[in-house]
Amino acid sequence: SQELEQSPQSLIVQEGKNLTINCTSSKTLYGLYWYKQKYGEGLIFLMMLQKGGEEKSHEKITAKLDEKKQQSSLHITASQPSHAGIYLCGAASLGKLIFGQGTTLQVKP
Amino acid sequence: NAGVTQTPKFRVLKTGQSMTLLCAQDMNHEYMYWYRQDPGMGLRLIHYSVGEGTTAKGEVPDGYNVSRLKKQNFLLGLESAAPSQTSVYFCASNPGLLLSGYTFGSGTRLTVV
Repeated sequence: SQELEQSPQSLIVQEGKNLTINCTSSKTLYGLYWYKQKYGEGLIFLMMLQKGGEEKSHEKITAKLDEKKQQSSLHITASQPSHAGIYLCGAASLGKLIFGQGTTLQVKP
Repeated sequence: NAGVTQTPKFRVLKTGQSMTLLCAQDMNHEYMYWYRQDPGMGLRLIHYSVGEGTTAKGEVPDGYNVSRLKKQNFLLGLESAAPSQTSVYFCASNPGLLLSGYTFGSGTRLTVV
C-alpha cells in the first residue's frame, strides 16, 4: 500500500521567513493534494498536482511535484501568522485519499 | 449547498456505549470516506464507500462499522466504544472522477471516558 511521509513533523519560524515542507511517497503519485487545517477545524484545500514537474502557486504558497512524481514540496514565502496550522499532503490511490502524518507550523510574530 | 454535514459535532461516551456518526452530502458524490485524526498521525482512513450499498476497509477499520444505504449518507458506527477511539472524526466525499476534488466535513470530536 502507498505511504506518505512528511518532513519536518513540526516547524517554528519567525514571521517573514520562508519555509518548505516535503512530502515523499513510497509509490508513484498520480494525484497529490495539499490541505491546510487550523487547530480544531476542518480541512482547507490548497492545491492539487498531477504532472511530473508541475508547479502551482496561490498567494504566497507554491507547491511542486518532482519529475519522478514521488516527492512534492510546499513552499511558503514571507510567512505570516495566518499561515500557522497543520499542513497535510494526500495521495489519491484506487479511489482512496491517504494522508501523510502532517506538519505543524507555528509562525512567531 | 451545504456540502458535507457531520452530526453530531461533539460527543462524550462512556466505555462500552455505542453510537452512530452521520455524514450527509448533497452533491450527488459517489465516493464517501471516514477518517480519524489523532495528534501527530495525520488523517487515517477508517472505511470508505465507492457507491450506494458498497463499503470497504481502510487503514484502521477495527472497532468500527459503516453503512451506505442511501447515496447521500454514510454512517459510522461504534458498537462498544473504547478510550482508544477518542479522536476527531472527519467525513469526506468525492464525485468518483479521476483526480477530482474531495470535500470534507467540519469534524466530530468524540471523547470516550
